[in-house]
Parts: sequence; C-alpha cells; structure tokens
Amino acid sequence: EAQVTQNPRYLITVTGKKLTVTCSQNMNHEYMSWYRQDPGLGLRQIYYSMNVEVTDKGDVPEGYKVSRKEKRNFPLILESPSPNQTSLYFCASSLVAGLGTGELFFGEGSRLTVL
Amino acid sequence: AQKVTQAQTEISVVEKEDVTLDCVYETRDTTYYLFWYKQPPSGELVFLIRRNSFDEQNEISGRYSWNFQKSTSSFNFTITASQVVDSAVYFCALSPTYNNNDMRFGAGTRLTVKP
Repeated sequence: EAQVTQNPRYLITVTGKKLTVTCSQNMNHEYMSWYRQDPGLGLRQIYYSMNVEVTDKGDVPEGYKVSRKEKRNFPLILESPSPNQTSLYFCASSLVAGLGTGELFFGEGSRLTVL
Repeated sequence: AQKVTQAQTEISVVEKEDVTLDCVYETRDTTYYLFWYKQPPSGELVFLIRRNSFDEQNEISGRYSWNFQKSTSSFNFTITASQVVDSAVYFCALSPTYNNNDMRFGAGTRLTVKP
C-alpha cells in the first residue's frame, strides 16, 4: 500500500530533550516536506527536500533540522525542543519536485507536546 | 506572494443541509493549482481535489462540488445533503504549477454536521 509513515504518532517530552520524528514513504517520491499545524494558522512548511541530499528551509525552520540521505526517508530533528514547538506535525511527499504534479501525500501526523 | 484565505473559521449545519466552504486566493502566477484537503477527527489529511488554473469548469463528485472562478480568485467547495461523516476541518491550498514546494494552505474551516 502506498503510504507515508510517521513515527511516533504521539509524543510528550520535556524542554531540551532531543527528539527525532521519522518519516518514510514507499512511493519513490522525489519531493518530501514537513509541515506543522497550529490552530488558526493552517499548515506551515518547516523544511522541504527536492531530492536526496537536497534540503531547504520553509517558512518556519527555526529550531528544526532535517536530513535526506535516502530517497524514502526524511526525518525531522528537534535538537532542543521548546514549548512553542508543541504542535501537530505532518510529513508529505510528492512524485516530482517541480512541474506541478501537485498532489501532496500526507502522513497520519505526529502530535508533539513539549513540557 | 501567495496567500489563501478561508474566512469561515467554523460552520455548523444540520444533517441534509447544503453547505459551502469559501476559499479566496492571491497569486501573481499565471498558472497554478488549487486544492482541497479534508482532515477528519482522526487527524489525517485526505486529498479531495486538484484544479489547474487553466480549467475553470466546475466539478462534481457525488455530493461534493467545486466552483472555480478566476475572476474573483475563488475556489469554493459545496457539500450537498451534508452527513455527519462530513464533519471535519477542510483546507484549501494553492501552489504554482512549476514548483509544488511553494504550496500555501488556508487556515482551515471546521465543519460540524449535527444529526
């Protein structure tokens, strides 16, 4: 089954404790991205990757890191989480990075709470 | 800069009523895609439709219909004979056809359908 898989789905952590949210897609998609969803703000892009070893900042990259060493995986790293990073996070992928293939396939979301 | 506005934060209807969710967008691109995504209470994001800016024909899919009007920069979504299962947050989104990295989401409209 074609899908984007995120883990963990739910996490409660404390300020400063490094954590990684994994994202994996099995559709051989070039493009992957991370969004955070906050009430009243919709989805905002954190980082994106056009292909392996190619990553760039989105609209709200502060406090996050990513890597794209393999095509299928795009982990989101919070080196020192803070309470303002409490949010619902979505990983997404798309077949190619340009030419408007458009549709993003989303993971099921990861709800993160930082105390 | 691209922007998507969903002015309706929350809508509540009674089952079998028709309901329209508004979406207004801003873009300087001459070609672009418009999308609607559904986020049910379970939290995942479900793709509903993608519309190319070249194609202003309205689309109907079962109880769902979409009205794209380039002249007013709107892409409204109507649910006919609403059902309780339609209760969800609905997001409108916009991306240029040449680069789906720059997808912008509206803040979302929470639809509640009461029995």
